[in-house]
Amino acid sequence: DAGVTQSPTHLIKTRGQQVTLRCSPKSGHDTVSWYQQALGQGPQFIFQYYEEEERQRGNFPDRFSGHQFPNYSSELNVNALLLGDSALYLCASSLAGRGSYEQYFGPGTRLTVT
Amino acid sequence: AQSVTQLGSHVSVSEGALVLLRCNYSSSVPPYLFWYVQYPNQGLQLLLKYTSAATLVKGINGFEAEFKKSETSFHLTKPSAHMSDAAEYFCAVSVAGANSKLTFGKGITLSVRP
Repeated sequence: DAGVTQSPTHLIKTRGQQVTLRCSPKSGHDTVSWYQQALGQGPQFIFQYYEEEERQRGNFPDRFSGHQFPNYSSELNVNALLLGDSALYLCASSLAGRGSYEQYFGPGTRLTVT
Repeated sequence: AQSVTQLGSHVSVSEGALVLLRCNYSSSVPPYLFWYVQYPNQGLQLLLKYTSAATLVKGINGFEAEFKKSETSFHLTKPSAHMSDAAEYFCAVSVAGANSKLTFGKGITLSVRP
């Protein structure tokens, strides 16, 4: 049973560029959440997607956008990259409607903005 | 809004000693509470969760935590530390279910001395 997978593993971008990160949820899961983990900090919630729509959003600017596909996979897009966007980006999947079921995290994508 | 406080950023114990990692939460509604572990260059792995059932929760790798509403605490313990327990530990809270937005603490680094 494949867990949550993310690609790429590492990424280096320049300020002002745009980046797309990808996530495939655990088999059977239909909800994907994205988190940003800055160095030495706990993860911060960016947004959550269910049924191809953004269901919840954290305190992140509009430069951060996402998408969910019919197969439940998801993309995180960040425009006009800033140095402060350098972080580990974590994807987590879960099953909607089952409040007692936890989120499973992927290994993350390490984004470095220079 | 919910929040989590993890006191201290680093805990060091001897192998075989008791592990105690502290977590206090703030929530206006009954919370769901979690402890996650993160090994270097990896994603988050769920250790245990509290979802309004038993207040003493047992998790993987010999860890357990007790939900104390009067103290708004959810401290993580393990009777005997093992070298393999060295990692970063995060406490998290959700107010809308285990599959909803997680708010994390800043994390505690656990070191285990031989």
